[in-house]
Amino acid sequence: GAGVSQSPRYKVAKRGQDVALRCDPISGHVSLFWYQQALGQGPEFLTYFQNEAQLDKSGLPSDRFFAERPEGSVSTLKIQRTQQEDSAVYLCASSSTGTNEKLFFGSGTQLSVL
Amino acid sequence: AQSVAQPEDQVNVAEGNPLTVKCTYSVSGNPYLFWYVQYPNRGLQFLLKYITGDNLVKGSYGFEAEFNKSQTSFHLKKPSALVSDSALYFCAVRDHRDDKIIFGKGTRLHILP
Repeated sequence: GAGVSQSPRYKVAKRGQDVALRCDPISGHVSLFWYQQALGQGPEFLTYFQNEAQLDKSGLPSDRFFAERPEGSVSTLKIQRTQQEDSAVYLCASSSTGTNEKLFFGSGTQLSVL
Repeated sequence: AQSVAQPEDQVNVAEGNPLTVKCTYSVSGNPYLFWYVQYPNRGLQFLLKYITGDNLVKGSYGFEAEFNKSQTSFHLKKPSALVSDSALYFCAVRDHRDDKIIFGKGTRLHILP
């Protein structure tokens, strides 16, 4: 596609429910990032992939958060047993090179946990 | 660990006046520095970057930024503001030895007609 696509655009979950957020990066992009953006805050780093390898997951807030990119293209961020504090916009970004000099962002998935 | 600070939550500038949005950073090694802009209901868009070389970098929409190593700053500037520049601006930094890109909390820029 022409840009980074994220789905769903909005997700409402009951506390304790598992959710899966999808990211389709720009075709051929090597690098893929996930960020969490709370209301009024900047994007907080969650995890980074280069192709299918998850090179950095230091930003994942707990073991309830899991990300994968099995074929080096589409990525899924999974949150198990969602909590209210997980409510945020989850942003995906991709870059054409491993040097990550320019990120292309999707529109995000807004997650609301009730 | 790298970090970035944007000391102003909001900046107001009259249309036609010069604008500056401040950013300071902290990294252990050489910094890669970026500015991104977020318009309402749209994703973050890349504006410009500093990797190496000339301290003054030019980017999209007439914006520029100056890398100052001694002050660890990377302020965003534009000589003449437009109302359409009103948006949320994020500074970001990456240590050249790391892959992680860290964003500041953002500065809301209001250009007044």
